[in-house]
Amino acid sequence: EVHLVESGGGLVKPGGSLRLSCAASGFTFSNAWMHWVRQAPGKGLEWVGRIKTKALGGTTDYAAPVKGRFSVSRDDSKNTLYLQMNNLKSEDTAVYYCTTESRLWFGVIDFWGPGALVTVSS
Amino acid sequence: QSALTQEASVSGTVGQKVTLSCTGNSNNIGRYAVAWVQQVSHGAPKTVMFGESLPSGIPDRFSGSQSGTTASLIISGLQPEDEADYFCSTWDYSLSAQVFGGGTKLTVL
Repeated sequence: EVHLVESGGGLVKPGGSLRLSCAASGFTFSNAWMHWVRQAPGKGLEWVGRIKTKALGGTTDYAAPVKGRFSVSRDDSKNTLYLQMNNLKSEDTAVYYCTTESRLWFGVIDFWGPGALVTVSS
Repeated sequence: QSALTQEASVSGTVGQKVTLSCTGNSNNIGRYAVAWVQQVSHGAPKTVMFGESLPSGIPDRFSGSQSGTTASLIISGLQPEDEADYFCSTWDYSLSAQVFGGGTKLTVL
């Protein structure tokens, strides 16, 4: 059974940094493309970024609002996904979800973690 | 402005059949399978359909269809526990980004 658990959320001041982690189990992590998706209070789901497998160069893609500030990385030896967030803004306040992309269906997000709350406020 | 367009709200009575729609373009729905994501009371999201395939553990009253640049989620025999927000999602080739619809609030009367 796929299991994803985010950690590292919390309160941070504008301009600050935070790193989220996602511990993965129940599947072969090194073969999975992974995404981060966020949800601001009272709003819909918003994609943050994606990382491909190391076999495909670990290529990353980012949403326009976070490009240049956020970085997705992975440690396959620890089955862990990371989201490094720098120069945080109040509009980055959201629950951040770690997700997997289906190995059978391109562009389909199939599993979700419970989420980690990030609050950016002075 | 979301890349994918969904109805803001849909309602139905217990046992009724309801259809939620998601409209995109040739760069997203026209190219790739669509996932439908259920979120109950702002809890953790759960994918209940991708393409026309039902994930393990999802009741078979859920079904999906996709044609051209439109995808649909059909719930046959609506149940009270189906009341939730539903989001559609897929990859967009031209944006090189995962895109989501704005979400449909399904109310079970």
